[in-house]
Amino acid sequence: KAGVTQTPRYLIKTRGQQVTLSCSPISGHRSVSWYQQTPGQGLQFLFEYFSETQRNKGNFPGRFSGRQFSNSRSEMNVSTLELGDSALYLCASSWDGSSMNTEAFFGQGTRLTVV
Amino acid sequence: GQNIDQPTEMTATEGAIVQINCTYQTSGFNGLFWYQQHAGEAPTFLSYNVLDGLEEKGRFSSFLSRSKGYSYLLLKELQMKDSASYLCAVRPDRGSTLGRLYFGRGTQLTVWP
Repeated sequence: KAGVTQTPRYLIKTRGQQVTLSCSPISGHRSVSWYQQTPGQGLQFLFEYFSETQRNKGNFPGRFSGRQFSNSRSEMNVSTLELGDSALYLCASSWDGSSMNTEAFFGQGTRLTVV
Repeated sequence: GQNIDQPTEMTATEGAIVQINCTYQTSGFNGLFWYQQHAGEAPTFLSYNVLDGLEEKGRFSSFLSRSKGYSYLLLKELQMKDSASYLCAVRPDRGSTLGRLYFGRGTQLTVWP
C-alpha cells in the first residue's frame, strides 16, 4: 500500500509569513502525528490528531497549529514564521484500529527554510 | 521533563557487532521504539519493546530494562548500508493510539569497510 505522503517536499519562506504543510497518511490509518526535526534538538513532538480531534500537543507556541480532515489527511500551519522554525517537519501515520498496532510510519518530510 | 540519552556517534567495521545504548527518564512509560534514519530520508521502524527482555528480529535485537530505564539496540553482521542515525524513542502515555513519542537526539553510526 502507498506510504505516507507529505507535500511539499521543500519550501522557502520569509520571516513573518505563514505556511501550511500537508500529510496524507497510509490508507486505513486514523492517527497522524507531527514532529519537528532540527540538528540541535532532534525530533520533537508537535501534536497528534485522531478522528479530526487533537489528542496530544507538544511544547510549541500557539503559532503552530494543525487540523485533520474526515479522510484522515492532516495539515499543519505555522504563522508569523521565525528563522528558528527552519527544520524538517515529519508526519507519522499510525493506528489501523488494532490494539496491537504500535508502529508509526513516517513520511519523507517537508524541509522548511525561513530566510 | 523528559530525558532520553544516547551516544552522539559510533563507528564500527563491516561484519562486526555494535550495541547502541539508550537511557531514559520520562513521566510515564508505555513502550520504547528504535528507528533508523538514513540521511535525507524518513525514519523507519526497527523495533518496539514494552516488557523487559530481548526482542530479536534478524540482524537487529533490542533489549529493555524498565527498572533501570535502559535499552540497547544490537546490530550484528554489520553492513555498509547500516550507516545511519539510530533513534531511540519513548512512548510515555497509555492510550489506544500511538500518542506522543519522545526521541533521543540519535546516534550516528558509521560502518567502515
